[in-house]
Amino acid sequence: ETGVTQTPRHLVMGMTNKKSLKCEQHLGHNAMYWYKQSAKKPLELMFVYSLEERVENNSVPSRFSPECPNSSHLFLHLHTLQPEDSALYLCASRGQGAAEAFFGQGTRLTVV
Amino acid sequence: QQQVKQSPQSLIVQKGGISIINCAYENTAFDYFPWYQQFPGKGPALLIAIRPDVSEKKEGRFTISFNKSAKQFSLHIMDSQPGDSATYFCAAVLSGYSTLTFGKGTMLLVSP
Repeated sequence: ETGVTQTPRHLVMGMTNKKSLKCEQHLGHNAMYWYKQSAKKPLELMFVYSLEERVENNSVPSRFSPECPNSSHLFLHLHTLQPEDSALYLCASRGQGAAEAFFGQGTRLTVV
Repeated sequence: QQQVKQSPQSLIVQKGGISIINCAYENTAFDYFPWYQQFPGKGPALLIAIRPDVSEKKEGRFTISFNKSAKQFSLHIMDSQPGDSATYFCAAVLSGYSTLTFGKGTMLLVSP
C-alpha cells in the first residue's frame, strides 16, 4: 500500500453516463496528479494540482473535468466519454519539496 | 516533447541473467531520477532512485548507473527472476516543480 487510494477499482460506463473517479491520500502531500495509461502507450499526464500551480495538459478533452476540493482529495469527473477513453486512470501524490511520487492502484475504466 | 527517452521498449531475459534498461534526458536541471516498477493491473511503485551527485546506487539486485556528462542513466537488475517481470519506467524530476517526466516504459519478461 502506497497510502494513495483510488475508487472504484473498476468502472464500466456507457457513453452517455456521468461518473466520477476518486483519489484520496492522507500522507500530507500537497500535489496530486491524474495520469492516463492506455495499452502499449506511455503514461500521459492529464492534470496536476499543487499549492504552487494547476497544470493542465491541453490535449485532454473537456469531457474530463478535475476537481480538487482540498489537498487530500482529487476527483476526475467523466461525461459523454468515448470508447477510446477506456484506460487505466492513475492518481499520484507528492509532498512539497519531495521528489518521490506515490501512485494509487488505478481505476480500470471501460467505456461501452 | 518527450524529455526522457527510454529503451528498449521490451526485453526478454533468462532467469539469472542481467536486465539492463537505459534512459536519456535532455534537461540538465533535473535533479532526481527514479525508477518505477509496474505489475499488470497495479499502479507504478517506486523501485529505486538516484540524485546526480552520485554515479551509482545499489539496492539489493537493483542498481542505477548515472552518467551526468552523457545525460544518461540505466537500471541493472542482477540475477533476474520471473517475479521481476513487469513494466519499468524511468523518470526525471525537477524538485520544487510539480511535473514528473516519465519515459515510455520497458516491458521486461524474465523466462524461467
